[in-house]
Amino acid sequence: GAGVSQTPSNKVTEKGKYVELRCDPISGHTALYWYRQSLGQGPEFLIYFQGTGAADDSGLPNDRFFAVRPEGSVSTLKIQRTERGDSAVYLCASSLQDRETQYFGPGTRLLVL
Amino acid sequence: AQTVTQSQPEMSVQEAETVTLSCTYDTSENNYYLFWYKQPPSRQMILVIRQEAYKQQNATENRFSVNFQKAAKSFSLKISDSQLGDTAMYFCALNAGGTSYGKLTFGQGTILTVHP
Repeated sequence: GAGVSQTPSNKVTEKGKYVELRCDPISGHTALYWYRQSLGQGPEFLIYFQGTGAADDSGLPNDRFFAVRPEGSVSTLKIQRTERGDSAVYLCASSLQDRETQYFGPGTRLLVL
Repeated sequence: AQTVTQSQPEMSVQEAETVTLSCTYDTSENNYYLFWYKQPPSRQMILVIRQEAYKQQNATENRFSVNFQKAAKSFSLKISDSQLGDTAMYFCALNAGGTSYGKLTFGQGTILTVHP
C-alpha cells in the first residue's frame, strides 16, 4: 500500500513568511508524529497526535509552530514568522497505534532565506 | 530524560564483509523499544530492525542483527555480507514510554560507506 507522503518536497521562503507543511499518513494509522532534522543530525521530536488530538507537543520550539490533524488523518504543520533557524528537513511518521513501529515519509526540506 | 548516543560518526567496510555499529542509551523505564533506521541520501528513513526490551532474544532481519545488552544499555547493529546499497546514515532510536510515550529519541547517526 501507499506509504507516508509529504508535500511539498522542498519549500523556499523568506524570513517572516508563513508556511504550511502537509503530511498524509498510511491509511488506518491512528498515531502521527512530526520531527525536525537539521543537517548531519538525528531527527528531533516536535509533536505527536493520537487521532485528532495532540497527545504530546512538548517538542514544539515556540509558539510560532503549530500543528493540526482535524479529521484524524492528514496533518498540517504550520510555522508563522519563519526565521532562518527554522531551515531543516521536517519529517512526518505514522504508526498503527501508540508505540508501534513508526513509518516515515520522505520529508519536506524547508529553506528560509 | 532519555538519551541515545552513537559514538561512531563514520564507518566504512568492504563489500561482502561484516560491520558493527554501536549505540548506547539511557532510560529509567523498563518497557521500552529500540530501533535502527537507515537514511540513504534520498532522505527516506527506513526501518532496519526493532527490539522489544522485554525480549531476551536478539532480533534478526536477514543480514541485519542486533546485540542487545540490557544491563549495559547497549544496542549494536551487525550488518553481514555488506552490500553497496547499505551505504547510508544509520540512526539508533529509543521509544521509552512513560512520559515520553510515543516519541522516538534518536542518536546522532553513523555514516556507513560500503566500498566495492
